[in-house]
Amino acid sequence: GDSVTQMEGPVTLSEEAFLTINCTYTATGYPSLFWYVQYPGEGLQLLLKATKADDKGSNKGFEATYRKETTSFHLEKGSVQVSDSAVYFCALTQGAAGNKLTFGGGTRVLVKP
Amino acid sequence: GAVVSQHPSWVICKSGTSVKIECRSLDFQATTMFWYRQFPKQSLMLMATSNEGSKATYEQGVEKDKFLINHASLTLSTLTVTSAHPEDSSFYICSATPTGQGGHIQYFGAGTRLSVL
Repeated sequence: GDSVTQMEGPVTLSEEAFLTINCTYTATGYPSLFWYVQYPGEGLQLLLKATKADDKGSNKGFEATYRKETTSFHLEKGSVQVSDSAVYFCALTQGAAGNKLTFGGGTRVLVKP
Repeated sequence: GAVVSQHPSWVICKSGTSVKIECRSLDFQATTMFWYRQFPKQSLMLMATSNEGSKATYEQGVEKDKFLINHASLTLSTLTVTSAHPEDSSFYICSATPTGQGGHIQYFGAGTRLSVL
């Protein structure tokens, strides 16, 4: 079945550092890919998405490019802020599977001032 | 924006009792809602898909008689953990897809932490 693997955390960074969270997937067909973010005490929120190969999703300074050749969707941000401290989840969905989202294990990011 | 409210946020119960968790879409209608379970430091695992007015679809390995799901209206789905045991202790999260929107659009509740003593 489909699966998503992302780097384990926690990732601890200083403010203004560069952030990369690796995400790779295994799926049949052509999935859509997502990054969700969960701030402390809140529900998951969609951060960005890409629906086909070579698409780049971006939002709030975060970017991720759908790489079919490497089955990856790494999340990057050039300069993190303390407010970016959260848990980040990579996920995919397949049209054939309807609404079902398959999540990676989540990566906790802590940004220190 | 679309808001999903989940209640309660934390519940402690005795072994053998039943617990009901509510998931409400506050500003949109949701034909489809989802229930996930999250173990510590692990990913969200889909338990079931709840469709308004029909029976829920459970994922393989999820006991439907233990985790009762009711989606009686377009804004409310409930998950009842029946005869709860300590192994049912977990973080339960719901999400909702606005009616008519694409399947990948899900808005999540903040989750319910269940502790069974």
